[in-house]
This record gives sequence, C-alpha cells and structure tokens, in this order.
Amino acid sequence: NAGVTQTPKFQVLKTGQSMTLQCAQDMNHEYMSWYRQDPGMGLRLIHYSVGAGITDQGEVPNGYNVSRSTTEDFPLRLLSAAPSQTSVYFCASRNGQFYNEQFFGPGTRLTVL
Amino acid sequence: AQSVTQPDIHITVSEGASLELRCNYSYGATPYLFWYVQSPGQGLQLLLKYFSGDTLVQGIKGFEAEFKRSQSSFNLRKPSVHWSDAAEYFCAVGGANAGNMLTFGGGTRLMVKP
Repeated sequence: NAGVTQTPKFQVLKTGQSMTLQCAQDMNHEYMSWYRQDPGMGLRLIHYSVGAGITDQGEVPNGYNVSRSTTEDFPLRLLSAAPSQTSVYFCASRNGQFYNEQFFGPGTRLTVL
Repeated sequence: AQSVTQPDIHITVSEGASLELRCNYSYGATPYLFWYVQSPGQGLQLLLKYFSGDTLVQGIKGFEAEFKRSQSSFNLRKPSVHWSDAAEYFCAVGGANAGNMLTFGGGTRLMVKP
C-alpha cells in the first residue's frame, strides 16, 4: 500500500495562474479531505468528500475547487492563484466513522509570487 | 462551533525530562480528541485518540494523554523525552460537524536540548 500520495511536492506559481494538486489513496477510503497548513494556524479544512461524486466545503474553500469522480482520487484546483494561497497543502483520507484514524499525505508546498 | 487551543507555540525541554503539551477544546457534545505529530517535512501521524472509556489513553512512542471534561482539556504527556521527539504536535477535535472532519489547534513545536 502506498497510502496517501500527493503530487507535486513543491510548486511555484505566478499570481493568476491555475493548477491542480493531485491526491490519491489506495486504501479504498470513503472520506477524503484537503487541508492547508499555515504557521500558527494549524491545519484548516478546505474541502472534503464523503464518497465518489459527493463533495462539500470546509472552513476555507474560497479560491479552490474539488471533484471526486473515483474513490481513489481527490484533486484540488486553484482557479486563479493568489499570494494568500502560499501554504503547505495536505490531503487526508479515512474509512468510515470520524473517530477512525485519518491518514495524511506528505504534503505539497506551494508558493505564489 | 468547535475549536481547539494549544496555548504553547514553542516548548524546549532537555532530553530525558518529562513533557506536557496543553490542549483545550470547545465542543458542544461529547468530544472526540486526537493528537498528531508532524516531523519536519513530513505529513501528520496519529499518536493517540480518545472517544470513550478510560480517560487516560496510551499512544505510540510512549505518549499518553488524559481527557478532563471539567477542564475541557486533553493534555499530552511523556515521562522521558528523546531527541527524536523533536517535532510539531497538533491536537484536534472531531465529531458531528460537517462531514465529521477534524478541527486542529495551532500546533506546539517541541525542541529537545541534548
């Protein structure tokens, strides 16, 4: 099992560019989520999905889109990158109930100039 | 709305000393509480969790945490810190919020002196 994988590891964008952060898991988990990590603010939920075809917004969804066409993949799209989106992005997945362990990917460090 | 506060942004302890990291939560019902550790450049790894039963829970790497409902706290402890414990630690609360996703505290960065 590869667990949760994320690509790319690092990315530099210019303001206004768009891109997609990839996330995949091979554990057949129903729940997947995207967080951003900023110094002193912990991890904040951007979007999440409770199954293929079902997504919803988290705490900080503005400027990001998601879709979930398969159980395995949950890409995060930045529509028009802004410097405020400079952050480290983590994808996570878990199976079933909320008290089950969430498994995190290694993260993508994004810089927007 | 649920929230988590970790009052200490940085903590430095000597190797072999005991450790306590503080976590206070706000949640309207029975909380489900977690501690995660993040080593530099890595993702997050679950240390331990509490959702019912014994209020003292044991985790991996020799860590434990105690749930105190009266104080809305879930502090993480370790009796003797090792240099490899240097990392950032996150407390999180989960429950019947939107999608049952976790709400994280701001994190505490632990440094270990030799």
